[in-house]
Amino acid sequence: SQQGEEDPQALSIQEGENATMNCSYKTSINNLQWYRQNSGRGLVHLILIRSNEREKHSGRLRVTLDTSKKSSSLLITASRAADTASYFCAPRPGNTGKLIFGQGTTLQVKP
Amino acid sequence: DAGVTQSPTHLIKTRGQQVTLRCSPKSGHDTVSWYQQALGQGPQFIFQYYEEEERQRGNFPDRFSGHQFPNYSSELNVNALLLGDSALYLCASRPGGTGVWTEAFFGQGTRLTVV
Repeated sequence: SQQGEEDPQALSIQEGENATMNCSYKTSINNLQWYRQNSGRGLVHLILIRSNEREKHSGRLRVTLDTSKKSSSLLITASRAADTASYFCAPRPGNTGKLIFGQGTTLQVKP
Repeated sequence: DAGVTQSPTHLIKTRGQQVTLRCSPKSGHDTVSWYQQALGQGPQFIFQYYEEEERQRGNFPDRFSGHQFPNYSSELNVNALLLGDSALYLCASRPGGTGVWTEAFFGQGTRLTVV
C-alpha cells in the first residue's frame, strides 16, 4: 500500500485564497518531499523537509512536518490560477532509495 | 542545464511486444530511479540504479528490467507488454547514491499506451 496519503483528494478555491493540503504516512522517514504535477506530465520538486525539521518555507509555500503524528502539510498562500495542478507528498522511508507517493491532491484555483 | 530528459515522449505498442525507454539524468546526478504512474494514481517506484547496478526494486515483475550506463544515463525495458502496463513512466535523478539524500528531479515522462 502507498504510504503518502494526501487529504483532501480535491480542492477548489478562488484566486488569492490560501490552499492547505495534508499528508499522512505510515513508517519512520528520513525526509519528505512535495511535488507538483501539471496535466499528467513530469513532477516538479517543491520542497524537501528532513525528519529533524519542523517547518520550511519557499516563496509562497510553507511545509510543516510532525513526525510524532506522521503527518505533513503544504500551505500555498495567495494562490494563483497557475497553481492549478496535482500535489503529491513523497515520504522517503528510512534509508531506502525510493519515494512513496499517494494519489495526490488535485487543486483547482479559479480566476 | 537541461534537467532530466526522457525519450520518447509518447509510444504506442501492441500487447506482447517489448519496449525500451530512455533517461538522461540532470548534470551531476549519478543515481537514477524509474516510476510508473497509472492514470489517476501516484507514481509507483520500479527500481533505482547507482554505479550501473540495480540497488533497490519495487513490487514489479521481472518483465521490468533496466540498465545504467557509465555516463549515468539509464534505460527501462519492459517485455511481454500487457494492457495494464499502459502508464506514464517517469525517470528521476539525484546525486549521492544510496547515502546522503537530496532532492530528486523528475523528467517529463514517457506516455506508453499498450493496445
